Amino acid sequence: GESVGLHLPTLSVQEGDNSIINCAYSNSASDYFIWYKQESGKGPQFIIDIRSNMDKRQGQRVTVLLNKTVKHLSLQIAATQPGDSAVYFCAENMSWTDSWGKLQFGAGTQVVVTP
Amino acid sequence: EPEVTQTPSHQVTQMGQEVILRCVPISNHLYFYWYRQILGQKVEFLVSFYNNEISEKSEIFDDQFSVERPDGSNFTLKIRSTKLEDSAMYFCASSNHGASGSTGELFFGEGSRLTVL
Repeated sequence: GESVGLHLPTLSVQEGDNSIINCAYSNSASDYFIWYKQESGKGPQFIIDIRSNMDKRQGQRVTVLLNKTVKHLSLQIAATQPGDSAVYFCAENMSWTDSWGKLQFGAGTQVVVTP
Repeated sequence: EPEVTQTPSHQVTQMGQEVILRCVPISNHLYFYWYRQILGQKVEFLVSFYNNEISEKSEIFDDQFSVERPDGSNFTLKIRSTKLEDSAMYFCASSNHGASGSTGELFFGEGSRLTVL
């Protein structure tokens, strides 16, 4: 079946370096993609989103890139800080209008920031 | 900052018992959701709710599950007869997708951990 998945289960990053977390998706009909951060014992926290009509979107210290040709999504975190240590999930929504909020989550990548 | 709140934070129950998990979504939101996360696994969609009815539900959301918005502020998930495999963290979320100026972002609560013995 179609799914959203992640390449790396664990990413170790030195404090101050940039982090890149990757995600592959297989459903070309997906219209909307989101990155969530989940700290231990907490719910998913929205980081940044992107619609399929864009290929790049920037937030504060984060950038999401979407490559529809190869169905690839990435999250870049600039100057990674200890507080960035968490599990990061990519998620997709099939449509901006239909089935809103029926997100399909990827498996998650554990980011560990080392001093 | 407005947030989604969930109770209880942890519930332990015996197999076959009924469980009700409660959520207070963000007050001006109109879309409500339940997701679950079995330990070590990905977050899975259960159900979405809008305009006092279920909009979408997953295969997981079988006849043992039900949702209700009993009043203007609460949104509940009931599991009629719990099974061992229902043990998971259950997340409530809400969104104001479609509202003017809305990003449609889902705001998640901190979760209710259900342990079925």
